[in-house]
Formats: sequence, structure tokens, C-alpha cells
Amino acid sequence: NAGVTQTPKFQVLKTGQSMTLQCAQDMNHEYMSWYRQDPGMGLRLIHYSVGAGITDQGEVPNGYNVSRSTTEDFPLRLLSAAPSQTSVYFCASSAPHRANTEAFFGQGTRLTVV
Amino acid sequence: GQNIDQPTEMTATEGAIVQINCTYQTSGFNGLFWYQQHAGEAPTFLSYNVLDGLEEKGRFSSFLSRSKGYSYLLLKELQMKDSASYLCAVLLNNAGNMLTFGGGTRLMVKP
Repeated sequence: NAGVTQTPKFQVLKTGQSMTLQCAQDMNHEYMSWYRQDPGMGLRLIHYSVGAGITDQGEVPNGYNVSRSTTEDFPLRLLSAAPSQTSVYFCASSAPHRANTEAFFGQGTRLTVV
Repeated sequence: GQNIDQPTEMTATEGAIVQINCTYQTSGFNGLFWYQQHAGEAPTFLSYNVLDGLEEKGRFSSFLSRSKGYSYLLLKELQMKDSASYLCAVLLNNAGNMLTFGGGTRLMVKP
């Protein structure tokens, strides 16, 4: 029972490099989202998707792109990495029509931009 | 805008009871979640309140007052393993049904 799987777990990038953080879920959840977590600031929403082919911006979308070609996958792309993007990134999924709608989180990707 | 406030840190003694408060002001409300997050790990679900009142689940209880924009998480019979961050999150009734999080409360349980 994998749940939400994120890769990689750790990554170091140089300023200006691009990369993709992978996220996959096997629970057939419609909703998926990306958050970043910085010390003292809690989790902040970057982008989210309510279904395949549909994405929208969250609170802090600048510098990131997403796509949702399948229900299972929701990759997050950093276009040109900056030190301000050093953070822990969490992907989450949820099933909106269930009573609880709790979000399930991946194990996180710890990204350092130097 | 959205505003969710909770204390940054709390300390309690093993075996005691601790209450972690959360106040919120949000445009739209579809429920309130509490998550537990151990250092270096993912948040995991603890409780969900959408109606006023107390929800009890073992050693953990969560309370909600929608009119006051207030919730608390009550942890009884504290154990060392309860040392973690506790995240309060409001479920917004927007198109994405997304969560807005407070900054989290880091709880340290001492012997």
C-alpha cells in the first residue's frame, strides 16, 4: 500500500538549474497538491489540481510549474532554481467526495539550492 | 486573506494533559484538521471537525467553535513519543478544497 510517493528524497541544485520533483499516488484520488514547508512558516500551497488536465495556482506559485496528464502523477518543475527555493516540499492527495477529505502526504523532498 | 494562529512552542511533562489552541480567520470554511508531524517526517492525520463540539479519539480530542473561529487539540496521558509538531489546517470551500495551514506548534514532552 504505497499511498503517496515522492522522489527524490534529497536534492542539491546550483542556482539556475532546473529539475522536476516527482509525485505519484495509487489511491485514485482526484485532488493533488504541492506544498513547501519552511521553518516557522508552516506549509504553504504552491499549486494544486482537481483532476487530470486541470491545475491552478496556490499561495506561492512563482518559479514553479505543474501538469496533471494522469490521475496518478503530479510533477512539480523548478524552472530556474534560486536559493529562496531551498525548502522541504510535500505532495499531498485527497478524495474530495468522502466525508473526511483528509489529505495524505508523501515523505517529502528536501531541496537545497546553492 | 487567510490567517491561522497557533503557539510556536509548548512544553509539557510525561503523563500530563496539554491543550494546543488554534484561532482562524478565513474566507470560506469547510472544516478544520489537526495533523501531527514528527521531525523529518510527513504530516499524518489526527482529527477533523466540521461541526461545533468535541471529537474524541483515544488520548486525543479536538474541539471546534465556528462562531469564535477557534479550535483546540487536547492530548491526555502524554508520552515521550508525542513530542512532535502539531499543525492546524482549515479546509477552504473553494474549487480546490485546499488546506490552509497555521505555522505549527512544536510540543516537547519532558520526563
